[in-house]
Amino acid sequence: DARVTQTPRDKVTEMGQEVTMRCQPILGHNTVFWYRQTMMQGLELLAYFRNRAPLDDSGMPKDRFSAEMPDATLATLKIQPSEPRDSAVYFCASGEGLAGYNEQFFGPGTRLTVL
Amino acid sequence: GDSVTQMEGPVTLSEEACLTINCTYTATGYPSLFWYVQYPGEGLQLLLKATKADDKGSNKGFEATYRKETTSFHLEKGSVQVSDSAVYFCALSGDQTGATNKLIFGTGTLLAVQP
Repeated sequence: DARVTQTPRDKVTEMGQEVTMRCQPILGHNTVFWYRQTMMQGLELLAYFRNRAPLDDSGMPKDRFSAEMPDATLATLKIQPSEPRDSAVYFCASGEGLAGYNEQFFGPGTRLTVL
Repeated sequence: GDSVTQMEGPVTLSEEACLTINCTYTATGYPSLFWYVQYPGEGLQLLLKATKADDKGSNKGFEATYRKETTSFHLEKGSVQVSDSAVYFCALSGDQTGATNKLIFGTGTLLAVQP
């Protein structure tokens, strides 16, 4: 049963520290999405990639967030420096193609707490 | 821009009661419509989808019909179970030209089913 995996599942860090979240998309999927979920804002799309190239990262604070896909099996989301307002659950999702009817498969999320 | 509006929760029901969660959308083009479900501590998973007007998506006893004339995609189930307790998200995706499959989510509706 193919699944999207994310590590770490939980991360507690102090303000100012660098945080790296990792995602392994489902093998064969060529689109990868990063979302952030908070009680106040709900689900927000931060960035997405097709064939490892960034298509849209307009939802991401550029000064501190960066997203990359070093290879087809790994996507990373980095925050440097982290701030308490970054506390949230970060989800990665992958899918096939760009057609609007295609399903996205979500990972279990990384719960980030910045103290 | 495109948007999704869904009824606020929480929705609290007794087991075997009927469920309706309202969802309306605003979009240009011809979006696909989705319902995703999030169980506690997990990522989102697709519950059902519809890709064109008058399509009915169904899964696990849940149904939703794509109504273009009322721009709605209400989720229904005739008899809920305790195991249906979760957060339900309505979402829309890009038009069928394949320009994008990024999802725009509603705020989510918490459903609590009591025995």
